[in-house]
Amino acid sequence: QVTLKESGPVLVKPTETLTLTCTVSGFSLSNARMGVSWIRQPPGKALEWLAHIFSNDEKSYSTSLKSRLTISKDTSKSQVVLTMTNMDPVDTATYYCARIPRVGYYWFDPWGQGTLVTVSS
Amino acid sequence: DIQMTQSPSSLSASVGDRVTITCQASQDISNYLNWYQQKPGKAPKLLIYDASNLETGVPSRFSGSGSGTDFTFTISSLQPEDIATYYCQQYDNLPITFGPGTKVDIK
Repeated sequence: QVTLKESGPVLVKPTETLTLTCTVSGFSLSNARMGVSWIRQPPGKALEWLAHIFSNDEKSYSTSLKSRLTISKDTSKSQVVLTMTNMDPVDTATYYCARIPRVGYYWFDPWGQGTLVTVSS
Repeated sequence: DIQMTQSPSSLSASVGDRVTITCQASQDISNYLNWYQQKPGKAPKLLIYDASNLETGVPSRFSGSGSGTDFTFTISSLQPEDIATYYCQQYDNLPITFGPGTKVDIK
């Protein structure tokens, strides 16, 4: 059974750096065909794709957030890490990680349960 | 970036009704279009990939069609458990983009 679980701080202050971890099970991050994405959703708003990473370390980022995001992976720990710098209250959202089942075919299945991050002083 | 629009933004329908949601891309995306269902307080769930392919285990009352810039998502007979927000998502070009969502509830 494939599962993903997000972890990280519930609350961060403006200007701080957010670090989120996605721990996966049921598949390997060394699998050449699969990847992991981060997607966020502000309260009551739509989904926004942030970044993805594949086993060959191919990465891609949201155009508007590229300067603030870094995605990486630790295959031995089955973890994908997303960092976002210079956090602002508008970054308050539920952050999801999701598997990309096939390289080049960018749909997300399954998703983690999500983790709500609030940005406030 | 490719912009995705959906209509309507919300709808109310009766149990058993046929429900149709449209999604439009700002440029030709071939059939690189997926649909998700998100129930309140839950993570999204993939329903349809590549415009018309039903994900394994998804009830056959859900269907999708279209190509190019115009796509349709249909629930052939609305059930109470279908109350959710539905999102389209394109992946023809990076960055990946989602539509704004369509909220479906029971009349």
